[in-house]
Amino acid sequence: AQSVTQPDIHITVSEGASLELRCNYSYGATPYLFWYVQSPGQGLQLLLKYFSGDTLVQGIKGFEAEFKRSQSSFNLRKPSVHWSDAAEYFCAVVSNTGGFKTIFGAGTRLFVKA
Amino acid sequence: DAGVIQSPRHEVTEMGQEVTLRCKPISGHDYLFWYRQTMMRGLELLIYFNNNVPIDDSGMPEDRFSAKMPNASFSTLKIQPSEPRDSAVYFCASSLALAGGPGELFFGEGSRLTVL
Repeated sequence: AQSVTQPDIHITVSEGASLELRCNYSYGATPYLFWYVQSPGQGLQLLLKYFSGDTLVQGIKGFEAEFKRSQSSFNLRKPSVHWSDAAEYFCAVVSNTGGFKTIFGAGTRLFVKA
Repeated sequence: DAGVIQSPRHEVTEMGQEVTLRCKPISGHDYLFWYRQTMMRGLELLIYFNNNVPIDDSGMPEDRFSAKMPNASFSTLKIQPSEPRDSAVYFCASSLALAGGPGELFFGEGSRLTVL
């Protein structure tokens, strides 16, 4: 069955430091991959998506992610973290098992320290 | 453009009562999803619709849960009778079709349900 794994439950980085959030997926074909961000008390908002083509995709708020088929990964990166980036981040894949549906990872909570 | 609209934003009820959560998707979207979010279980897909037709309800936890989409602009998620373990934030999301499946999901702000 298709699945999404985010191995880090939470990560703490200093403001201005670089960030990488990990995501691994299990999927037979080329997946549609997404990263979403959730601020407290809010719904999820799309950061970026990969459907095909260039494996390095740019998103909003200075985020980028790289699709690596050989590693079944879609890690999210940002070169310099701002305090406002503190939130929970979800990786997601569209699965075609039993119909198309979006499956989310467990999420990684990002803490930013001054 | 209005986004996905959910109501109520907050609901507090007593065990055994019926709860109805409502969702208005973005106009023109083909897919509608209901998710439940808890600290313990994260984001769980309950059910989703494509063109108003339920496609996969395997995530609906029990027969106490039911969902309908009578038209393209409205969906309900009903819990009857409610139990304390149903306390969670329930999200509705909609999307356009993309190559046979849903594309980017647009989420509502959620309905926070507390069952006492």
